[in-house]
Amino acid sequence: RKEVEQDPGPFNVPEGATVAFNCTYSNSASQSFFWYRQDCRKEPKLLMSVYSSGNEDGRFTAQLNRASQYISLLIRDSKLSDSATYLCVVNRFHFGNEKLTFGTGTRLTIIP
Amino acid sequence: NAGVTQTPKFRVLKTGQSMTLLCAQDMNHEYMYWYRQDPGMGLRLIHYSVGEGTTAKGEVPDGYNVSRLKKQNFLLGLESAAPSQTSVYFCASSYPTSGVAETQYFGPGTRLLVL
Repeated sequence: RKEVEQDPGPFNVPEGATVAFNCTYSNSASQSFFWYRQDCRKEPKLLMSVYSSGNEDGRFTAQLNRASQYISLLIRDSKLSDSATYLCVVNRFHFGNEKLTFGTGTRLTIIP
Repeated sequence: NAGVTQTPKFRVLKTGQSMTLLCAQDMNHEYMYWYRQDPGMGLRLIHYSVGEGTTAKGEVPDGYNVSRLKKQNFLLGLESAAPSQTSVYFCASSYPTSGVAETQYFGPGTRLLVL
């Protein structure tokens, strides 16, 4: 089983719609969680951290469920510019050092 | 600030050739990382460094070597390139505080093709 699993998609969603992605992780010792965004042929960039209480940043809402070991990302009122691949990232400490594990990404295309 | 830069942006090698990828950051970050990204595999950590003069193996270190002689630079070397090393290579840096993971800032990537 992969340490971090995501539905690869693609998700093709009309502009203005709401879309949600889930991500599951296998290591219960994982400590920090993030969503990164990666545009085609570009580097990943941090979209938002994910906190236990859930957090919101504009149209984006992230949730963490430690008991079920999954993370979600909700995008409301989707824009054309939201088209990208969304990477779920999980961090834990491994022999005193951080270890980030990246999911393979969920590809989202917003359709006009 | 330039952030994280990588040199070169694109390279074609023949099997058995060697090369060095350079990563530089101007954010005074302690931690630096080298990843490779392949279709369907996600980003995989090759080597990383928690400070000047230190390096450690990541998930897929075989066939690569690294050096961190200066805090701002992290070099990735391929001694004898193989077609399996065809990939996109990303460098990243971060400044962890209080033992909590901080944002990793990525360079623009190096596309390597080994024939």
